[in-house]
Amino acid sequence: EVQLLESGGALIQAGGSLRLSCAASGFTFNNYPMSWVRQAPGKGLEWVSYISETGHDTYYADSVKGRFTVSRDNSKNTLDLQMNSLGAEDTALYYCARDWGTGSYYFDYWGQGTLVTVSS
Amino acid sequence: DIQMTQSPSSLSASVGDRVTITCRASQGIRNWLAWYQQKPERALKSLIYATSNLQSDVPSRFSGSGSGTDFTLTISSLQPEDFATYYCQQYQTYPPTFGGGTKVEIK
Repeated sequence: EVQLLESGGALIQAGGSLRLSCAASGFTFNNYPMSWVRQAPGKGLEWVSYISETGHDTYYADSVKGRFTVSRDNSKNTLDLQMNSLGAEDTALYYCARDWGTGSYYFDYWGQGTLVTVSS
Repeated sequence: DIQMTQSPSSLSASVGDRVTITCRASQGIRNWLAWYQQKPERALKSLIYATSNLQSDVPSRFSGSGSGTDFTLTISSLQPEDFATYYCQQYQTYPPTFGGGTKVEIK
């Protein structure tokens, strides 16, 4: 069974940094690209970042480019999101999601999410 | 970016009803459209990919159709476990974008 478990969410002051993690199990992690998708309170879904199977290719939404960094450790089956210079607009539930295939951006499995609250 | 517009934003229906949700893309996306279900406990579940292909373990009462810019998700006979919010998403063009969601509530 595919499982994705996010952690690291917290209440943090504006301007601060936070690192989210996602632990993957139930599939061959290094065969799949991964993404982060977020959902602001009461709002819809917003794709945030993508990382290829090897970690060599990364992409970001314009709203986070230059502030967020995605990485993965295929030896530990973990996905991370380093978030810097956080603002109130980054308050959201952050999901990690498995991409169906290279560059597909179709997300076939999702985690439960971890909540990031940025106070101004 | 491609804008995805869902309608209605919410609807009330009874168990056994046929429910249709519409998703419109601001430009053509061929058939690169997915549907997701979100329940109040926050879990997101993939339902349909490439417009009409059911993800494994999704009940056959769910179906999807459309092409180009106009797409629909249909639940043929609404069940109690189907009360949730549904999102469409295009993955034809980077960046991937989602619709605003349709909340299906109990009448």
